[in-house]
Amino acid sequence: DSGVTQTPKHLITATGQRVTLRCSPRSGDLSVYWYQQSLDQGLQFLIQYYNGEERAKGNILERFSAQQFPDLHSELNLSSLELGDSALYFCASSVVSELSTDTQYFGPGTRLTVL
Amino acid sequence: GDSVTQMEGPVTLSEEAFLTINCTYTATGYPSLFWYVQYPGEGLQLLLKATKADDKGSNKGFEATYRKETTSFHLEKGSVQVSDSAVYFCALKRVGTGRRALTFGSGTRLQVQP
Repeated sequence: DSGVTQTPKHLITATGQRVTLRCSPRSGDLSVYWYQQSLDQGLQFLIQYYNGEERAKGNILERFSAQQFPDLHSELNLSSLELGDSALYFCASSVVSELSTDTQYFGPGTRLTVL
Repeated sequence: GDSVTQMEGPVTLSEEAFLTINCTYTATGYPSLFWYVQYPGEGLQLLLKATKADDKGSNKGFEATYRKETTSFHLEKGSVQVSDSAVYFCALKRVGTGRRALTFGSGTRLQVQP
């Protein structure tokens, strides 16, 4: 158990809908990262927050957004869903983000299926 | 840009065989290198890491040495078990302007047969 929690574990929805994925980082970690794992794209970084502020952006679509709240939990919002958004979404957390040596710990993931 | 290349899988071995999964990287500066493992139906777990050249990371019988001269971080284990069957991901992290995340390889599936 990494200490990172994600809810829900599974999500099934229809095209055009909007969903929210939730992540709670390990106790003491200030940095939260979101990744998408799909069969064709592999593991791709989406976005990172540090202590409530956005710090880095990866291949995140404009239909997707995220935020980190004062209690440090984070939510990833996916809207106008398409079939191609079906994937496993991981959250990871780390103590800081400014060091290349800093280790990221991953949650169990949310499996999103868009029908 | 940064990239990680892993050997194609699946790798199929018999129990107690020697394992090598090749990983090479492209990055400027001094990245840290990581191996993560994903068991069926689960998230990614950190297996080991190395933060500078010639460092050796080790855990649960797995080892990898950070070789800057060959830009490699190959994963090895002397004697695999059926329980090692999983997907293994090599990754690097290099901090820079707007860069904070891990760059992953495509993953290598390991199947160990009894």
